[in-house]
Amino acid sequence: NAGVTQTPKFQVLKTGQSMTLQCAQDMNHNSMYWYRQDPGMGLRLIYYSASEGTTDKGEVPNGYNVSRLNKREFSLRLESAAPSQTSVYFCASSERGGQGSNQPQHFGDGTRLSIL
Amino acid sequence: KNQVEQSPQSLIILEGKNCTLQCNYTVSPFSNLRWYKQDTGRGPVSLTIMTFSENTKSNGRYTATLDADTKQSSLHITASQLSDSASYICVVRLTDSWGKFQFGAGTQVVVTP
Repeated sequence: NAGVTQTPKFQVLKTGQSMTLQCAQDMNHNSMYWYRQDPGMGLRLIYYSASEGTTDKGEVPNGYNVSRLNKREFSLRLESAAPSQTSVYFCASSERGGQGSNQPQHFGDGTRLSIL
Repeated sequence: KNQVEQSPQSLIILEGKNCTLQCNYTVSPFSNLRWYKQDTGRGPVSLTIMTFSENTKSNGRYTATLDADTKQSSLHITASQLSDSASYICVVRLTDSWGKFQFGAGTQVVVTP
């Protein structure tokens, strides 16, 4: 009963390097999300995917790209990492219910990313 | 400016005592308000979800209340346990933007023996 699995759990990058954060869910959820969490701030939405084949920008999409590989997997890519992208990244999934859905989001345990 | 403000930022309580966390929001219109628990080093876990028409919802020792008129919510923890030590996050789901949630910064609760 894994739920939402994120890899890697920790990563240190140098400025300018690229990397992809992986996320997979086994709950057959339609919708998936990527957030970042910074100290003293609420989680902020980077990108989301309402359903397989669709992706949309969230509140802070600059510097990131996403791919909804299939219904299970939703990856986040940093093309040229910057120190401002040092953060904890969370992936989440939920049943699709349209606007106003009361379905909870299920979160992974995060990827702690440091960019030097 | 964050549209979801939580108070206090942190609090320390003795095991067995009760506590109440506050959430004030300016997000409008909204479809539901959620409370999540986030243990250190883990992702948030859903505690309660209330629509604007609901006044209260419980999940074990956790009871959330909502006053949509004053745009305030609270989370009450009864008979606290050491395992309640965590950050508690208030989240408002927007109605007019699919998939959009506004997160509070959280209240850090420490339960001491």
